[in-house]
Formats: sequence, structure tokens, C-alpha cells
Amino acid sequence: NAGVTQTPKFRILKIGQSMTLQCTQDMNHNYMYWYRQDPGMGLKLIYYSVGAGITDKGEVPNGYNVSRSTTEDFPLRLELAAPSQTSVYFCASSYETGEGLNQPQHFGDGTRLSIL
Amino acid sequence: AQTVTQSQPEMSVQEAETVTLSCTYDTSENNYYLFWYKQPPSRQMILVIRQEAYKQQNATENRFSVNFQKAAKSFSLKISDSQLGDTAMYFCAFMNGETSGSRLTFGEGTQLTVNP
Repeated sequence: NAGVTQTPKFRILKIGQSMTLQCTQDMNHNYMYWYRQDPGMGLKLIYYSVGAGITDKGEVPNGYNVSRSTTEDFPLRLELAAPSQTSVYFCASSYETGEGLNQPQHFGDGTRLSIL
Repeated sequence: AQTVTQSQPEMSVQEAETVTLSCTYDTSENNYYLFWYKQPPSRQMILVIRQEAYKQQNATENRFSVNFQKAAKSFSLKISDSQLGDTAMYFCAFMNGETSGSRLTFGEGTQLTVNP
């Protein structure tokens, strides 16, 4: 059981380049999330999705886009990379029944992204 | 908006001793969940313990326990019989139980070092 898988693990980009961070989960979770973690800080929510075809902004969405065409995949796209987007990016997923019993999130191992 | 504050950037403890990590939060909600996550140098986010706000009993998981003071909005983590493998960054996190999306709000973390 792989859980939440993120690729790549490391990447260096030049300013203005674009890339997609991949995230896939095999737990049939309906909710998925993208966080970023800046050095010495906690995680901040970028975008989240409550199901296929539904996405919504989190706390720090500027400069990013997401899509959720399938339950399993939730890619994060950077269109015009900027130095301020240098960070570690975490994808997470959870299963919600909608009955108020929220389940803990399962995290991927993160992608370290440097923009120079 | 909810906020989570961890006032101890760094802490250290001797192996086999007990240590308590502090966390306070601010919310106007009545239905919520609190979590402690551990992030070792491997960068994984590992769930340590969770607490439902409607439960008065403090959660425990083996050597880990919490002191949940709802009126004071305090949620501290106690680690008993500390082990070298407990060395990690510890994050306190809040989840609003009233909204969909189960988004987590993280504190800035406490770096715990267990010394031999």
C-alpha cells in the first residue's frame, strides 16, 4: 500500500519556468490537499479538493493552479516560478464521510523545490 | 480565522525523561479537532495524537499524552520516557469540524532534541 506518492522529490527551476508537482493516492480518499512549508515554519494550505472536479483555494494560493480530474490524482502547477516559491511542498489526503467525524490526513514525503 | 501558536521554538530533554511541548490556539468554533504531528529529519509528517474538542478526556497514545484545556484554548503534548527517535520537529495543528475540507492550520513548530 503506497499511500500518498509525490514526484519529483527534488527539483531546481529557473525563474519564469513552469512545472507540475504530481500527487497520487491509492487509499480512495475523497479529500486531497497541497501545503507548502517554508524553512523553520509550519505548513500552509495552498489548495484543496473535496472530490473529483472540485477544488478550492487555501491560505496561500497565488502563483499556483490545481486540477482534480480523478479521485487518485491532484497535481499542483506553477506557471511562472518565482524565488518566493522556493519551499517544500506536501500533498495530503483524507477520507471524509460528511458526518462530522473528520479523519486525520495522510501526508506524502514532500517535494523540495528551489527556484534560482 | 483560526491561529495556532507554539511558543517554544526549541527544546531539549535527556533520554528517558519527560518533556512537555506547549500549544495554544484561537477559535470561535465549538466543534474542532486538534493534532500533534511529528516531522523527523526524513521530512515525513507523522500523526502522533489527536483530540476531539467535544471529548473531555485527554487523549493518550503509549508514551504520548495531551493536556487539553478547552477554556484556556491550550493543547500541550507530554512525551514520557523520551527516546532518541523522538528527536524531531513537532507541529500542533487545528481542524475546524464545522466546515468541509478538513483543512489543517499549523503552528510554527517546536524542534525537540533528545540527548543521550
